[in-house]
Amino acid sequence: SQKIEQNSEALNIQEGKTATLTCNYTNYSPAYLQWYRQDPGRGPVFLLLIRENEKEKRKERLKVTFDTTLKQSLFHITASQPADSATYLCALGTGGYQKVTFGTGTKLQVIP
Amino acid sequence: DGGITQSPKYLFRKEGQNVTLSCEQNLNHDAMYWYRQDPGQGLRLIYYSQIVNDFQKGDIAEGYSVSREKKESFPLTVTSAQKNPTAFYLCASSSRLREAFFGQGTRLTVV
Repeated sequence: SQKIEQNSEALNIQEGKTATLTCNYTNYSPAYLQWYRQDPGRGPVFLLLIRENEKEKRKERLKVTFDTTLKQSLFHITASQPADSATYLCALGTGGYQKVTFGTGTKLQVIP
Repeated sequence: DGGITQSPKYLFRKEGQNVTLSCEQNLNHDAMYWYRQDPGQGLRLIYYSQIVNDFQKGDIAEGYSVSREKKESFPLTVTSAQKNPTAFYLCASSSRLREAFFGQGTRLTVV
């Protein structure tokens, strides 16, 4: 069956360190992968999109990698800040307007 | 302002009632989606629509219905057949191969 797995346990890191979140998937052939941030009681907000033919994407303090052989994406936040504390969701798109399916999310807590 | 609007923010439903959640977008996006989120859980896809007058079931469509009569609108009806409707409902829209924009959500509670 198809699965998108993210660490269900919260990730606690010290301010200033790099946070690394993992998204693994099985039985998908995604055309692209996205990362979103969600704050409590709010809708997710888009952060980065990486396509199947791209290895790495950066935006300010954010970096995403996409390994279609390992079926894995890593999401990095460098120089983390308490304001980065939120739940981070990965999502797979299978091309065109096909189903966009989300993982369960990882809660990140940045400790001052 | 361009965006996606869900209403109401909070909705209370009695047992056996149907309720309709509104979702409107003025982003000129072709695709629209409905997701359900339970506490501490990820988003589960209920229905999605790629074009007007066409929609597909997602992973948990039972007990829900939708319509897509206009590009801007994608209302979701939670029917009495949905046995556990209390949840946070999120609507989203997107262009082809692009990111999704989400509304602020509707929190539905059965009383």
